[in-house]
Amino acid sequence: DVKVTQSSRYLVKRTGEKVFLECVQDMDHENMFWYRQDPGLGLRLIYFSYDVKMKEKGDIPEGYSVSREKKERFSLILESASTNQTSMYLCASSLWASKKAYTEAFFGQGTRLTVV
Amino acid sequence: DQQVKQNSPSLSVQEGRISILNCDYTNSMFDYFLWYKKYPAEGPTFLISISSIKDKNEDGRFTVFLNKSAKHLSLHIVPSQPGDSAVYFCAASAGGATNKLIFGTGTLLAVQP
Repeated sequence: DVKVTQSSRYLVKRTGEKVFLECVQDMDHENMFWYRQDPGLGLRLIYFSYDVKMKEKGDIPEGYSVSREKKERFSLILESASTNQTSMYLCASSLWASKKAYTEAFFGQGTRLTVV
Repeated sequence: DQQVKQNSPSLSVQEGRISILNCDYTNSMFDYFLWYKKYPAEGPTFLISISSIKDKNEDGRFTVFLNKSAKHLSLHIVPSQPGDSAVYFCAASAGGATNKLIFGTGTLLAVQP
């Protein structure tokens, strides 16, 4: 079974703090993703990574950065947390599509972040 | 610009009846489509998928239909059960190694006992 683990289920941070959200997967997947889920907006892609040290912006990268120093770990960083970053954050991983024609992404349990 | 749209925010169905969830997309480069189910405070779990070379895929009570000309797909759940009550997300991919998924806004399905 694929396991994607996010370091925290719930976090409360203050405005202006630097926040780290950690994600680890155990299936040797090349691709890793960070999404946020907000009511009425669905899941929106923040950043993704297709290899160690490689990253690409998703649809809403502003205010975020990422780090992938090891294949199994993908970190999302909020450089200076703001109240509009209060959200559910979801990490996912998947194989490169070239290894399997079509492949689903596997999600972690999510981190509910509240910025006060 | 929302490339994947789920126009019904919610749907209520009686237990035992059919649930039909709909999804529209605008990007003709999408060639792989998925449905995910999500319970509150949990991550989404993969349900069923379909590639653009097919128009139907079935897995137990779940069937996904794809109409490429209309850029429309639907998920049928028959028979619906109370445990199916969750938010359902439609997702699409244009392929490529990164296999990036673009999600819709979700539909909250409530199955009434």
